[in-house]
Amino acid sequence: AQSVAQPEDQVNVAEGNPLTVKCTYSVSGNPYLFWYVQYPNRGLQFLLKYITGDNLVKGSYGFEAEFNKSQTSFHLKKPSALVSDSALYFCAVRDGLTGGGNKLTFGTGTQLKVEL
Amino acid sequence: DAGVIQSPRHEVTEMGQEVTLRCKPISGHNSLFWYRQTMMRGLELLIYFNNNVPIDDSGMPEDRFSAKMPNASFSTLKIQPSEPRDSAVYFCASKSISTGELFFGEGSRLTVL
Repeated sequence: AQSVAQPEDQVNVAEGNPLTVKCTYSVSGNPYLFWYVQYPNRGLQFLLKYITGDNLVKGSYGFEAEFNKSQTSFHLKKPSALVSDSALYFCAVRDGLTGGGNKLTFGTGTQLKVEL
Repeated sequence: DAGVIQSPRHEVTEMGQEVTLRCKPISGHNSLFWYRQTMMRGLELLIYFNNNVPIDDSGMPEDRFSAKMPNASFSTLKIQPSEPRDSAVYFCASKSISTGELFFGEGSRLTVL
């Protein structure tokens, strides 16, 4: 079975400071990892993904994530937060062992609040 | 491309009524997913289709829920009869096998009184 854990319900950060949103995962095979963002009253939007290759993945809006196999983590980061980054962030995983499969398992979400 | 299109965006109905939610996936995508989002349970996968065929419906809460995909450009999620605990935002998402990431619609917010 595959699973994702987002240990923080909410993260608060001051604008201009770096931000980190944590995610750990569990899969049988190689993980396919994703981050999505959800703004109020909107659907989820794709930010970035890791399938293979470089452990540091760059995505939309200046976000990046680092894949760490030994720690089974895929934390989302941004060097300098903006107030407009305030949103709900979801980590998701798919098990690569099943040929990618199709079932994407989402975490419970982390609310990011960036304040002036 | 217009993206994944869902209708209605908002629906308010009374307990016992039938509810039908509709989804048009992105053209060329061959997988379609229905999710439900609530404050209590977060984002739950209800069912997904590959090439119009239901693959996994283990997330469908009970027999009151049914989903169909008669062709590659249209899917419905039906609740009959509806109950207040069905109140949630229902999302449809599609993907192509080649790219892997899901594209979500804007959701259908259902309120059952």
